Amino acid sequence: QVQLVQSGAEVKKTGTAVKISCKASGYTFTSAGFTWVRQAPGQGLEWMGWISGNYGNTQYAQRLQGRVTMSTDRTTRTAYMELRSLRSDDTAVYFCGRDRGAAGGIDYWGQGTLVTVSS
Amino acid sequence: EIVLTQTPLSLPVTPGEPASISCRASQSLFDSDDGNTYLDWYLQKPGQSPQLLTYTVSHRASGVPDRFSGSGSGTDFTLKISRVEAEDVGVYYCMQRIEFPYTFGQGTRLEMK
Repeated sequence: QVQLVQSGAEVKKTGTAVKISCKASGYTFTSAGFTWVRQAPGQGLEWMGWISGNYGNTQYAQRLQGRVTMSTDRTTRTAYMELRSLRSDDTAVYFCGRDRGAAGGIDYWGQGTLVTVSS
Repeated sequence: EIVLTQTPLSLPVTPGEPASISCRASQSLFDSDDGNTYLDWYLQKPGQSPQLLTYTVSHRASGVPDRFSGSGSGTDFTLKISRVEAEDVGVYYCMQRIEFPYTFGQGTRLEMK
Protein backbone atom coordinates (compact mmCIF):
# COMPACT_ATOMS: atom_id res chain seq x y z
CA GLN A 1 0.00 0.00 0.00
CA VAL A 2 1.11 3.55 -0.73
CA GLN A 3 2.62 5.36 2.25
CA LEU A 4 4.33 8.69 2.74
CA VAL A 5 6.14 9.01 6.06
CA GLN A 6 7.48 12.40 7.06
CA SER A 7 10.24 13.29 9.49
CA GLY A 8 9.47 14.47 13.00
CA ALA A 9 8.64 17.82 14.51
CA GLU A 10 11.28 20.53 14.53
CA VAL A 11 11.91 23.60 16.69
CA LYS A 12 14.07 26.20 14.97
CA LYS A 13 15.45 29.66 15.63
CA THR A 14 14.64 32.52 13.30
CA GLY A 15 17.17 32.82 10.49
CA THR A 16 18.07 29.14 10.45
CA ALA A 17 16.92 26.40 8.06
CA VAL A 18 14.82 23.25 8.25
CA LYS A 19 14.85 20.22 5.98
CA ILE A 20 11.87 17.87 6.05
CA SER A 21 11.89 14.41 4.52
CA CYS A 22 9.03 12.44 3.00
CA LYS A 23 9.78 8.74 2.48
CA ALA A 24 7.60 7.00 -0.08
CA SER A 25 6.74 3.33 -0.36
CA GLY A 26 4.26 1.07 -2.12
CA TYR A 27 4.52 2.45 -5.66
CA THR A 28 6.99 3.23 -8.43
CA PHE A 29 8.72 6.34 -7.13
CA THR A 30 9.26 7.95 -10.53
CA SER A 31 5.63 7.54 -11.60
CA ALA A 32 4.42 10.57 -9.65
CA GLY A 33 5.63 13.89 -8.33
CA PHE A 34 5.35 15.48 -4.91
CA THR A 35 3.43 18.54 -3.88
CA TRP A 36 4.32 20.33 -0.64
CA VAL A 37 1.67 22.23 1.27
CA ARG A 38 1.77 23.98 4.62
CA GLN A 39 -0.82 25.08 7.15
CA ALA A 40 -0.19 27.80 9.70
CA PRO A 41 -2.04 27.45 13.02
CA GLY A 42 -5.77 27.89 12.47
CA GLN A 43 -5.30 28.76 8.80
CA GLY A 44 -6.03 27.16 5.44
CA LEU A 45 -3.80 25.20 3.11
CA GLU A 46 -0.99 27.00 1.31
CA TRP A 47 0.69 25.46 -1.74
CA MET A 48 4.48 25.65 -1.49
CA GLY A 49 5.71 23.87 -4.56
CA TRP A 50 6.00 20.73 -6.66
CA ILE A 51 8.76 18.42 -7.76
CA SER A 52 8.59 15.70 -10.38
CA GLY A 53 9.45 12.20 -9.31
CA ASN A 54 11.52 11.34 -12.37
CA TYR A 55 13.63 14.30 -13.47
CA GLY A 56 13.40 16.49 -10.40
CA ASN A 57 11.81 19.44 -12.17
CA THR A 58 10.54 21.98 -9.66
CA GLN A 59 7.98 24.76 -9.33
CA TYR A 60 7.87 27.00 -6.26
CA ALA A 61 5.43 29.50 -4.83
CA GLN A 62 6.69 32.95 -5.69
CA ARG A 63 6.55 34.16 -2.10
CA LEU A 64 9.00 31.39 -1.13
CA GLN A 65 11.36 31.79 -4.09
CA GLY A 66 14.94 32.00 -2.96
CA ARG A 67 14.24 30.39 0.41
CA VAL A 68 12.89 26.97 -0.57
CA THR A 69 14.50 24.01 -2.29
CA MET A 70 12.75 20.74 -3.08
CA SER A 71 14.65 17.63 -4.05
CA THR A 72 14.29 13.88 -4.38
CA ASP A 73 16.58 10.91 -3.85
CA ARG A 74 15.44 8.00 -5.99
CA THR A 75 17.78 5.55 -4.30
CA THR A 76 16.13 6.10 -0.92
CA ARG A 77 12.70 6.93 -2.36
CA THR A 78 12.64 10.15 -0.39
CA ALA A 79 11.51 13.68 -1.18
CA TYR A 80 12.92 16.66 0.71
CA MET A 81 11.83 20.22 1.33
CA GLU A 82 14.33 22.70 2.73
CA LEU A 83 13.24 26.15 3.89
CA ARG A 84 15.90 28.69 4.82
CA SER A 85 16.00 32.04 6.60
CA LEU A 86 13.13 30.93 8.79
CA ARG A 87 10.75 33.52 10.18
CA SER A 88 8.12 33.24 12.86
CA ASP A 89 5.38 33.13 10.23
CA ASP A 90 6.91 29.93 8.84
CA THR A 91 5.55 28.17 11.92
CA ALA A 92 3.19 25.62 10.42
CA VAL A 93 2.46 21.99 9.75
CA TYR A 94 4.13 20.93 6.51
CA PHE A 95 2.62 18.17 4.36
CA CYS A 96 3.95 16.25 1.39
CA GLY A 97 1.55 14.66 -1.06
CA ARG A 98 1.90 12.27 -3.98
CA ASP A 99 0.91 14.21 -7.06
CA ARG A 100 -0.33 12.05 -9.93
CA GLY A 101 -1.16 14.99 -12.15
CA ALA A 102 -3.95 14.34 -14.63
CA ALA A 103 -4.02 10.70 -13.61
CA GLY A 104 -5.40 11.32 -10.16
CA GLY A 105 -4.70 14.45 -8.15
CA ILE A 106 -2.80 14.47 -4.85
CA ASP A 107 -4.00 11.12 -3.69
CA TYR A 108 -1.77 10.22 -0.73
CA TRP A 109 -0.43 12.52 1.96
CA GLY A 110 2.18 12.34 4.66
CA GLN A 111 1.18 12.71 8.28
CA GLY A 112 2.49 16.27 8.51
CA THR A 113 5.53 17.77 10.22
CA LEU A 114 5.16 20.60 12.71
CA VAL A 115 7.85 23.25 12.42
CA THR A 116 7.95 25.83 15.19
CA VAL A 117 10.08 28.92 14.63
CA SER A 118 10.92 31.22 17.49
CA SER A 119 13.53 33.75 18.40
CA GLU B 1 -2.31 33.43 -10.03
CA ILE B 2 -5.74 31.80 -10.15
CA VAL B 3 -8.00 32.75 -7.26
CA LEU B 4 -10.56 30.24 -6.01
CA THR B 5 -13.53 31.54 -4.04
CA GLN B 6 -15.55 29.08 -1.99
CA THR B 7 -19.06 29.57 -0.64
CA PRO B 8 -20.23 29.20 1.99
CA LEU B 9 -17.31 29.38 4.40
CA SER B 10 -19.35 27.73 7.15
CA LEU B 11 -21.93 25.02 6.58
CA PRO B 12 -24.04 23.64 9.45
CA VAL B 13 -25.84 20.50 8.30
CA THR B 14 -28.31 18.09 9.85
CA PRO B 15 -27.17 14.46 9.55
CA GLY B 16 -28.90 12.74 6.66
CA GLU B 17 -29.52 15.99 4.83
CA PRO B 18 -27.74 17.02 1.62
CA ALA B 19 -24.99 19.63 1.45
CA SER B 20 -23.41 21.63 -1.33
CA ILE B 21 -20.24 23.72 -1.59
CA SER B 22 -19.41 26.05 -4.45
CA CYS B 23 -15.99 26.95 -5.84
CA ARG B 24 -15.52 29.70 -8.39
CA ALA B 25 -12.25 30.24 -10.24
CA SER B 26 -10.93 33.57 -11.52
CA GLN B 27 -10.22 31.94 -14.90
CA SER B 28 -11.11 28.76 -16.74
CA LEU B 29 -9.60 25.54 -15.43
CA PHE B 30 -10.15 23.73 -18.73
CA ASP B 31 -7.02 22.52 -20.50
CA SER B 32 -7.75 22.41 -24.24
CA ASP B 33 -4.54 20.42 -24.84
CA ASP B 34 -5.73 17.33 -23.01
CA GLY B 35 -9.43 18.01 -22.47
CA ASN B 36 -9.18 17.85 -18.67
CA THR B 37 -10.47 20.40 -16.19
CA TYR B 38 -8.12 20.59 -13.24
CA LEU B 39 -10.27 21.14 -10.20
CA ASP B 40 -9.98 18.85 -7.16
CA TRP B 41 -11.77 18.67 -3.83
CA TYR B 42 -10.04 17.77 -0.56
CA LEU B 43 -11.37 17.18 2.93
CA GLN B 44 -9.26 17.84 6.00
CA LYS B 45 -10.80 16.19 9.04
CA PRO B 46 -9.86 17.60 12.44
CA GLY B 47 -6.25 16.85 13.30
CA GLN B 48 -5.62 14.96 10.06
CA SER B 49 -3.86 15.42 6.73
CA PRO B 50 -5.94 16.46 3.73
CA GLN B 51 -7.57 13.65 1.80
CA LEU B 52 -8.53 13.62 -1.85
CA LEU B 53 -12.25 13.39 -2.58
CA THR B 54 -12.52 14.11 -6.30
CA TYR B 55 -10.07 15.08 -9.03
CA THR B 56 -10.50 16.64 -12.48
CA VAL B 57 -13.94 17.81 -11.37
CA SER B 58 -15.89 14.60 -11.05
CA HIS B 59 -13.62 11.57 -10.65
CA ARG B 60 -14.02 10.13 -7.18
CA ALA B 61 -10.81 9.04 -5.52
CA SER B 62 -10.36 5.44 -4.45
CA GLY B 63 -12.38 4.60 -1.35
CA VAL B 64 -14.48 7.77 -1.38
CA PRO B 65 -18.17 7.03 -0.72
CA ASP B 66 -20.51 7.64 -3.64
CA ARG B 67 -22.49 10.16 -1.60
CA PHE B 68 -19.75 12.62 -2.64
CA SER B 69 -19.99 13.99 -6.17
CA GLY B 70 -18.22 16.78 -8.02
CA SER B 71 -19.58 18.71 -10.96
CA GLY B 72 -19.02 21.87 -12.95
CA SER B 73 -17.04 23.26 -15.83
CA GLY B 74 -14.95 26.25 -16.82
CA THR B 75 -14.93 28.44 -13.74
CA ASP B 76 -17.86 27.16 -11.64
CA PHE B 77 -17.76 23.97 -9.62
CA THR B 78 -19.77 22.23 -6.94
CA LEU B 79 -19.17 19.47 -4.44
CA LYS B 80 -22.33 17.75 -3.28
CA ILE B 81 -22.88 15.37 -0.43
CA SER B 82 -26.15 13.52 -0.91
CA ARG B 83 -26.65 12.60 2.75
CA VAL B 84 -24.24 14.03 5.28
CA GLU B 85 -22.86 11.71 7.93
CA ALA B 86 -21.10 12.59 11.18
CA GLU B 87 -17.73 11.48 9.76
CA ASP B 88 -17.95 14.15 7.04
CA VAL B 89 -17.16 16.93 9.53
CA GLY B 90 -14.10 18.97 8.63
CA VAL B 91 -12.87 21.63 6.23
CA TYR B 92 -13.39 21.19 2.51
CA TYR B 93 -10.98 22.78 0.03
CA CYS B 94 -11.12 23.11 -3.71
CA MET B 95 -7.78 23.25 -5.51
CA GLN B 96 -6.78 24.06 -9.08
CA ARG B 97 -3.93 22.28 -10.82
CA ILE B 98 -4.16 23.68 -14.32
CA GLU B 99 -1.21 26.00 -13.85
CA PHE B 100 1.47 26.85 -11.34
CA PRO B 101 1.19 28.11 -8.71
CA TYR B 102 -1.48 25.65 -7.66
CA THR B 103 -3.98 27.41 -5.43
CA PHE B 104 -6.58 26.43 -2.85
CA GLY B 105 -9.90 27.94 -1.96
CA GLN B 106 -10.25 29.43 1.54
CA GLY B 107 -11.96 26.32 2.85
CA THR B 108 -15.53 25.54 3.92
CA ARG B 109 -16.06 24.26 7.44
CA LEU B 110 -18.82 21.65 7.60
CA GLU B 111 -20.27 21.00 11.04
CA MET B 112 -23.24 19.09 12.40
CA LYS B 113 -26.27 20.96 13.59
